[in-house]
Amino acid sequence: IAGITQAPTSQILAAGRRMTLRCTQDMRHNAMYWYRQDLGLGLRLIHYSNTAGTTGKGEVPDGYSVSRANTDDFPLTLASAVPSQTSVYFCASSDSSAGGPYEQFFGPGTRLTVL
Amino acid sequence: AQSVTQLDSQVPVFEEAPVELRCNYSSSVSVYLFWYVQYPNQGLQLLLKYLSGSTLVKGINGFEAEFNKSQTSFHLRKPSVHISDTAEYFCAVSRNSGYSTLTFGKGTMLLVSP
Repeated sequence: IAGITQAPTSQILAAGRRMTLRCTQDMRHNAMYWYRQDLGLGLRLIHYSNTAGTTGKGEVPDGYSVSRANTDDFPLTLASAVPSQTSVYFCASSDSSAGGPYEQFFGPGTRLTVL
Repeated sequence: AQSVTQLDSQVPVFEEAPVELRCNYSSSVSVYLFWYVQYPNQGLQLLLKYLSGSTLVKGINGFEAEFNKSQTSFHLRKPSVHISDTAEYFCAVSRNSGYSTLTFGKGTMLLVSP
């Protein structure tokens, strides 16, 4: 079934540790996104990538980095996790090749707790 | 830059009653508008979208929304809700040109009770 997979499903992490959240899509979408969801704040964009090899910063990029080596994968790395990064993380993708973002498809999310 | 305001954080309603979830946006350029639904412990799923054309947009599960440019609104409506519609609903906006990211509202929790 086509879609987006994220791993891990959930993780408890000690502060100061490095963590990479994985995201893979099989829809050949050119654009991919990482959001964090916090109660009462909705979804906020962390980083995005319009095409393989390019990335951009969203609303809340500090403490996070991304790479886009190929079309399908878009990992999100926390270099040194802090408790304020406790959140649910969603990866999304869209076909923006026609000039607009149109629909974004979302993965199931990763629940991250930093202690 | 774009912004989205969802005026109600929570909307309680009885089953089979009508419901309207409000969304207002701010943008200096033309926009695309979206409503997404999130069921408990799941990702987001697109309900409907406005890109151009008719201002009344119909989506899945009997939902519809009307784009009102003069009032910068995109309210979501359903004439008769079901228990299964209990979920969080997010309004989102993007510029309608080039590559553009989505800006989400903070969400409205729809609580349907029997």
